[in-house]
Amino acid sequence: QVQLQESGPGLVKPSETLSLTCSVSGGSLSSYYWSWIRQPPGKGLEWIGYIYSSGSTNYSPSLRGRVSISIDTSKNFFSLRLTSVTAADTAVYYCARRPYSRGWFDPWGQGILVTVSS
Amino acid sequence: DIVMTQSPDSLAVSLGERATINCKSSQNLLYSSTNKNYLTWYQQKPGQPPKLLIYWASTRESGVPERFSGSGSGTDFTLTISSLQTEDVAVYYCQQYYSTPITFGQGTRLEIK
Repeated sequence: QVQLQESGPGLVKPSETLSLTCSVSGGSLSSYYWSWIRQPPGKGLEWIGYIYSSGSTNYSPSLRGRVSISIDTSKNFFSLRLTSVTAADTAVYYCARRPYSRGWFDPWGQGILVTVSS
Repeated sequence: DIVMTQSPDSLAVSLGERATINCKSSQNLLYSSTNKNYLTWYQQKPGQPPKLLIYWASTRESGVPERFSGSGSGTDFTLTISSLQTEDVAVYYCQQYYSTPITFGQGTRLEIK
């Protein structure tokens, strides 16, 4: 079965760029949307955006301009970049798969806590 | 953006009793060409990612116990746990996928009374 695993720095300084990678095992990236979702500590879920296996993207308007998602289907991973971070970007970041023409996310990675602090 | 509002924010139910969580969307989630409601439910336990329970508002994901059911259409939806078990203590989220940006409800915390 498909498994996702986030990786990257757990601490990022304010105004710098947050970069995370989601490694996918047990299946191909083809014909799915690959998503990032975040959850501030003790709060709810926020969709960041997703990328289709072809490379087309869709981002949350609240983050557009700061966020980019890329994909490497040959190496079975996709990535998140969020620029000019502030303390408000502190959250657990999850990667997840969304089936084509479906809207739900399954499976999810375990999540990685990223803290924005100097 | 479609706003998803869950009620209540928290809920305490006795073991074996029914738990009901509501989710209201600011726009219709029933897509006329498919006659499906673009609404899903997740369960999140502490320290874990959300787990898919229900999609198309009422279709139970494989492996999800039958005590979990989803209902509703249009703008009003309900997640029902028919007989609460200890392992059901969690936060439950609804999510719409009718349009982007995809949005979630604020969550409902379910506890044992």
